[in-house]
Amino acid sequence: GEQVEQRPPHLSVREGDSAVITCTYTDPNSYYFFWYKQEPGASLQLLMKVFSSTEINEGQGFTVLLNKKDKRLSLNLTAAHPGDSAAYFCAVPNTGYQNFYFGKGTSLTVIP
Amino acid sequence: AQTIHQWPVAEIKAVGSPLSLGCTIKGKSSPNLYWYWQATGGTLQQLFYSITVGQVESVVQLNLSASRPKDDQFILSTEKLLLSHSGFYLCAWSLGQGGEVFFGKGTRLTVV
Repeated sequence: GEQVEQRPPHLSVREGDSAVITCTYTDPNSYYFFWYKQEPGASLQLLMKVFSSTEINEGQGFTVLLNKKDKRLSLNLTAAHPGDSAAYFCAVPNTGYQNFYFGKGTSLTVIP
Repeated sequence: AQTIHQWPVAEIKAVGSPLSLGCTIKGKSSPNLYWYWQATGGTLQQLFYSITVGQVESVVQLNLSASRPKDDQFILSTEKLLLSHSGFYLCAWSLGQGGEVFFGKGTRLTVV
């Protein structure tokens, strides 16, 4: 099945700096991709769903880039603030949506 | 609006005791349902999925079982808990291929 690698496992940036989290996947037929945010002690909050047809996806305070050739998905938080401190996970479902393959997560700390 | 409710919020159980965790989705008919387990340290492991009432597929068993007795209800259970069952259990739903996947607030289980 799909394999998803997420990097880095931990990331610390200063307030106002950008933070980039990257996932690589193996199945070239993957069509949907997800990013989730998990605050300490809480559940997963959907940040964005990405279609394989869209390379650049803009969210509120972040951009998601999809490079299908390299099978790489990246989450770029622009001008990070302390409220962005959380764990972030990418997820890639299989074609039938039965299985979701999650990256191991990135723990982001934004230092004021 | 659709809601997903997980119960209980937290449990402390003894090794060898039974367990039943529940999840209810309101506002959507025939959703895909999923159970996930998150160990301390953050990695998410999919346990089960269900496409329709009465049908549950196992991804990783971990000495747990799941059932879907109603269209809007998903139950995770075991007759004998192990210490390794401790963690955060998350229920999720989607409307199938192409749809977003939303998570419940989770149940934190401590096995002592």
